[in-house]
Amino acid sequence: GNSVTQMEGPVTLSEEAFLTINCTYTATGYPSLFWYVQYPGEGLQLLLKATKADDKGSNKGFEATYRKETTSFHLEKGSVQVSDSAVYFCALTLYNTDKLIFGTGTRLQVFP
Amino acid sequence: DGGITQSPKYLFRKEGQNVTLSCEQNLNHDAMYWYRQDPGQGLRLIYYSQIVNDFQKGDIAEGYSVSREKKESFPLTVTSAQKNPTAFYLCASSIPRGISNQPQHFGDGTRLSIL
Repeated sequence: GNSVTQMEGPVTLSEEAFLTINCTYTATGYPSLFWYVQYPGEGLQLLLKATKADDKGSNKGFEATYRKETTSFHLEKGSVQVSDSAVYFCALTLYNTDKLIFGTGTRLQVFP
Repeated sequence: DGGITQSPKYLFRKEGQNVTLSCEQNLNHDAMYWYRQDPGQGLRLIYYSQIVNDFQKGDIAEGYSVSREKKESFPLTVTSAQKNPTAFYLCASSIPRGISNQPQHFGDGTRLSIL
């Protein structure tokens, strides 16, 4: 079936460290891929997306590249800040459907 | 500014009661969704609606009901048949994928607890 697998957290980093959160997927057809972020007590906000192979999504210093050959969409940021502390969800939608399939989320904690 | 409004932010239910969670959007989106979030888990789809007066069950619809009488509103009722309703509930909306590849927009959620 269709699914998203994320690395388990929490990921704990010092400010200005490099961040990678791994995400791999299993899907039939050609999915679109998303990263959402959830700050404490809030809903989800779209962070970035990619709709086809080799696309790179980017926003607020975060990047992720749609890798069809490795079925991956890893999230990276070169220098994290305390304000980046949140839960990050990788998700996909399948072609011609509106339903999002989520990973379990990865909590990021950044300390000064 | 356009957005999705969920109310209330916190809700308490007694055993055997039905409760209704409100979700309103002014984004002019056709599609709306309800998700349930439990600690340490991803979001699971309860119900979704792609157009007014139509809705479909998601992955965990048992014990829940919805209506879609207006484009901007998609209320969720948690019935007494839902044995473990304590969770964080998120509403979302989107332009249907067949029109454009747009992501879902989320409200700030309602946290439901059992007294």
